[in-house]
Amino acid sequence: GENVEQHPSTLSVQEGDSAVIKCTYSDSASNYFPWYKQELGKRPQLIIDIRSNVGEKKDQRIAVTLNKTAKHFSLHITETQPEDSAVYFCAAIRNNDMRFGAGTRLTVKP
Amino acid sequence: NAGVMQNPRHLVRRRGQEARLRCSPMKGHSHVYWYRQLPEEGLKFMVYLQKENIIDESGMPKERFSAEFPKEGPSILRIQQVVRGDSAAYFCASSPQTAYEQYFGPGTRLTVT
Repeated sequence: GENVEQHPSTLSVQEGDSAVIKCTYSDSASNYFPWYKQELGKRPQLIIDIRSNVGEKKDQRIAVTLNKTAKHFSLHITETQPEDSAVYFCAAIRNNDMRFGAGTRLTVKP
Repeated sequence: NAGVMQNPRHLVRRRGQEARLRCSPMKGHSHVYWYRQLPEEGLKFMVYLQKENIIDESGMPKERFSAEFPKEGPSILRIQQVVRGDSAAYFCASSPQTAYEQYFGPGTRLTVT
């Protein structure tokens, strides 16, 4: 099955700085890569996703890049704000099989 | 369009009792997934169901755990003879097609005393 590794496990940045979270996957047949944001005590929320036929996708301050050859993808958050503080999960999906990374706790200091 | 609904939101059971967790997918979604999340940990896949069918239960313990998604009504995750190690948040998610674009419910926090 798929194995997804996520780094770093914790990340602290100053408000206004950028944050980058990286994930690697093992199954080269994986073709869909979503990112979820989970605030304390709340449900994971889909914030951005990318399919394997695309190398980059951007939505305002959030972008995701995918390197299929190296089997890794990254979440980039620019101009971070305190409300970006949360746990972020990446995932890789092949057909019905979705596996999550262990999560990154992002803290944005005002 | 209501989101994914789960109930109860909090459930307390004593060791040996049964826990029933319910999930109503978003309107138009026929794919349901159950995940378990331990405190400070990630989401662990348990089972994937479509209406009246279990598609993948590879993440679900073979004993004490079962899941169903009947033709009518919510999906149900059933845990029999609960133990303290079952204490966790259980999330369900639904999607319109296969595993893509899953939307999560608010979760059920199960506490076993």
